[in-house]
Amino acid sequence: DTGVSQNPRHKITKRGQNVTFRCDPISEHNRLYWYRQTLGQGPEFLTYFQNEAQLEKSRLLSDRFSAERPKGSFSTLEIQRTEQGDSAMYLCASSLTRPSSGNTIYFGEGSWLTVV
Amino acid sequence: SQQGEEDPQALSIQEGENATMNCSYKTSINNLQWYRQNSGRGLVHLILIRSNEREKHSGRLRVTLDTSKKSSSLLITASRAADTASYFCATDRWTAGGYNKLIFGAGTRLAVHP
Repeated sequence: DTGVSQNPRHKITKRGQNVTFRCDPISEHNRLYWYRQTLGQGPEFLTYFQNEAQLEKSRLLSDRFSAERPKGSFSTLEIQRTEQGDSAMYLCASSLTRPSSGNTIYFGEGSWLTVV
Repeated sequence: SQQGEEDPQALSIQEGENATMNCSYKTSINNLQWYRQNSGRGLVHLILIRSNEREKHSGRLRVTLDTSKKSSSLLITASRAADTASYFCATDRWTAGGYNKLIFGAGTRLAVHP
């Protein structure tokens, strides 16, 4: 399977614990995105990487959230001191750089987080 | 904040009927993309239409784009029970940083009954 891979797929954690999600993008894709989706809503943009550089962080990403893409390949999203409001599906996506025609952005299956 | 708004929020039809979903957005775009999401799963890319295109087809899907009205529509013809899913439009805009970012609407939940 050469699609975007995310793990774990499901995580249940107690409030106050830290959690980390991993994303492996499609191998030749240099762009990587994180989105968050709650029930009944569309995905909301969190952050974006071009290779290893994090170029934008949404205001939704509080200081408890940190994302990295150390070698420009896989990425991790860590949430510290989780709160019940962090319960959501965290989606990773990747794309190529193709500025003239627009890029199809491919999504993974998502990582469900439940904070109890 | 979300840019696109889909209409209707929910749609229920019988197999064989056509399903039309609409999307409106607020700012200029590079292109517009439609995605499908089965319950609890990730998003599957359906079709991309560029800002200089007016209509695009892919199998049973037909997408139109009217940039003057800032709106798009997705038509699924001869629907099947397997088409039951949520459908999202996402506007693709170039940012000041020189990359594109997708902004999603809240989606249309389509139910196709056998």
